[in-house]
Amino acid sequence: ETGVTQSPTHLIKTRGQQVTLRCSSQSGHNTVSWYQQALGQGPQFIFQYYREEENGRGNFPPRFSGLQFPNYSSELNVNALELDDSALYLCASSFSIAPKYNEQFFGPGTRLTVL
Amino acid sequence: AQRVTQPEKLLSVFKGAPVELKCNYSYSGSPELFWYVQYSRQRLQLLLRHISRESIKGFTADLNKGETSFHLKKPFAQEEDSAMYYCALSGGGSARQLTFGSGTQLTVLP
Repeated sequence: ETGVTQSPTHLIKTRGQQVTLRCSSQSGHNTVSWYQQALGQGPQFIFQYYREEENGRGNFPPRFSGLQFPNYSSELNVNALELDDSALYLCASSFSIAPKYNEQFFGPGTRLTVL
Repeated sequence: AQRVTQPEKLLSVFKGAPVELKCNYSYSGSPELFWYVQYSRQRLQLLLRHISRESIKGFTADLNKGETSFHLKKPFAQEEDSAMYYCALSGGGSARQLTFGSGTQLTVLP
């Protein structure tokens, strides 16, 4: 069984640029959630995708967008990067969306630095 | 709105001593509470969830709805317990997304 993988590991961008982060779900999982973790903070929910549709969104502006593909892999896109977007971005996959105890399996994260 | 508070950013105990990591939450409905752990250079992983009422690696956590708390406890800490611990809540909404606290870094001293 393959765990959640994310790419790239690290990324450096400048303010105003656009970035795409990628995530491969754990085998058999159909739901992907993205989190932003700023330094010294816990992960903060960005959005979730279930069967290629957005299924919930946290308090993030529209310049944060995503995609989920038929193989359940996912992308997080951030436009017009700001300095405050510097963070660790975590992807988590799970099976289905409604089981009461939906354990989410996390990837290692992508460290984004915006200069 | 749902919120999770972990009042201690850092906690140090000696090996063999009891440890308690505090977690308080704010949520109007019936929450699902979790503890996640991140060991050094490893990814975030689930430690335990309140509904399972299980003990994992000697850790237990009881949901106290009156005090809105979900403290993590272990009677005898081990050095390998040193890690970052996050309390998380899953509440309403179709996504059942996790709301995390800011974490407590536990260090178990020899």
